[in-house]
Amino acid sequence: AQSVTQLGSHVSVSEGALVLLRCNYSSSVPPYLFWYVQYPNQGLQLLLKYTSAATLVKGINGFEAEFKKSETSFHLTKPSAHMSDAAEYFCAVRRDGGFKTIFGAGTRLFVKA
Amino acid sequence: DTAVSQTPKYLVTQMGNDKSIKCEQNLGHDTMYWYKQDSKKFLKIMFSYNNKELIINETVPNRFSPKSPDKAHLNLHINSLELGDSAVYFCASSRGRGDQETQYFGPGTRLLVL
Repeated sequence: AQSVTQLGSHVSVSEGALVLLRCNYSSSVPPYLFWYVQYPNQGLQLLLKYTSAATLVKGINGFEAEFKKSETSFHLTKPSAHMSDAAEYFCAVRRDGGFKTIFGAGTRLFVKA
Repeated sequence: DTAVSQTPKYLVTQMGNDKSIKCEQNLGHDTMYWYKQDSKKFLKIMFSYNNKELIINETVPNRFSPKSPDKAHLNLHINSLELGDSAVYFCASSRGRGDQETQYFGPGTRLLVL
């Protein structure tokens, strides 16, 4: 069975600092991996996804993630945090033909002025 | 134009009541989903339809019944509401049911059962 683990339910960074949100996956076959963002009182929207093309994936709002098979990781980064990045971030995995997306527990990002 | 819309946005009701949540997507997608997000933000799939056919039916109480009158709509009816049903319910859609497909989420329906 597939699963994702997000390390750290809360991450706090200063404005302008590096953002690093961690995600590790478990899958018996190469997975499709996603990062979604949820702003307060809104639905989720896609930041980026890995579909077995390039291992470094660039997304919206300056975010990127690198697929590392050896580490079973798909960590999300952004070089310089902005106040508007404060939100809940979800890592998700899908690849078993069961049409199901498995979401991680989410990481709340706080950005301090 | 709103891609995935849900009504109502807020729903406050008493235990034992029956309620429905409606979802519509104008993206021309074939696949639609219902998710439940609990108070700890944990997101869990409940149902999924592809071309009006049920393809995912997770272990949810049979008080929850989805209905897809056409590809653009997926409604959720809940009978005999319980306190534990309080959550945010999200509808989503995707172009197809392939594993690489992006899901597009509605704004959510915040259900509070008193």
